[in-house]
Amino acid sequence: AQSVAQPEDQVNVAEGNPLTVKCTYSVSGNPYLFWYVQYPNRGLQFLLKYITGDNLVKGSYGFEAEFNKSQTSFHLKKPSALVSDSALYFCAVRSKTGANNLFFGTGTRLTVIP
Amino acid sequence: DSGVTQTPKHLITATGQRVTLRCSPRSGDLSVYWYQQSLDQGLQFLIQYYNGEERAKGNILERFSAQQFPDLHSELNLSSLELGDSALYFCASSVAGTGTGKNIQYFGAGTRLSVL
Repeated sequence: AQSVAQPEDQVNVAEGNPLTVKCTYSVSGNPYLFWYVQYPNRGLQFLLKYITGDNLVKGSYGFEAEFNKSQTSFHLKKPSALVSDSALYFCAVRSKTGANNLFFGTGTRLTVIP
Repeated sequence: DSGVTQTPKHLITATGQRVTLRCSPRSGDLSVYWYQQSLDQGLQFLIQYYNGEERAKGNILERFSAQQFPDLHSELNLSSLELGDSALYFCASSVAGTGTGKNIQYFGAGTRLSVL
């Protein structure tokens, strides 16, 4: 069975500082990993994905994520946080060998403090 | 704008009633997924359709059903509604139905269902 864990419900970071939102996964076989962001009263927006290849994945709005197979982690990062980055972030996994649906983590609320 | 359209945006109804949520996928996408987002259960996959056929089922209650029509739009039917069915229901679409690397799911803005 596949699952995703986001150990932090809330992350606070000062504007201009680097941010990290943590995600660990459990899946049989090699994973497809995704990050989505949800702004208030909006749907989920795709940020980036890891399928294979380079462990550092670059995505939208300056976000990147680092895939670490030995630690089964896929942490989301950004070098310099903006107040507009404040939102709810979801990590998701989809098994290559299973059904196509996504398994989401519980979400991490990121607050960037001006 | 993701290109996935969901209607209505909000729905308020009473227990025991039946409602229908509608989703139009992005142009060219053949696969539609339904997810439920609630405070206690988080984001959960309900069901997937691909080109009119049911492809995968998740934690969907027997009171809930879905279908995908020849024009590829999909409807999620929720019946005998209970207070606990109050949630945000998302539709997502993707090009393909199987787990290929290019298969990103794009989400609509959701339908917020309130059961009173």
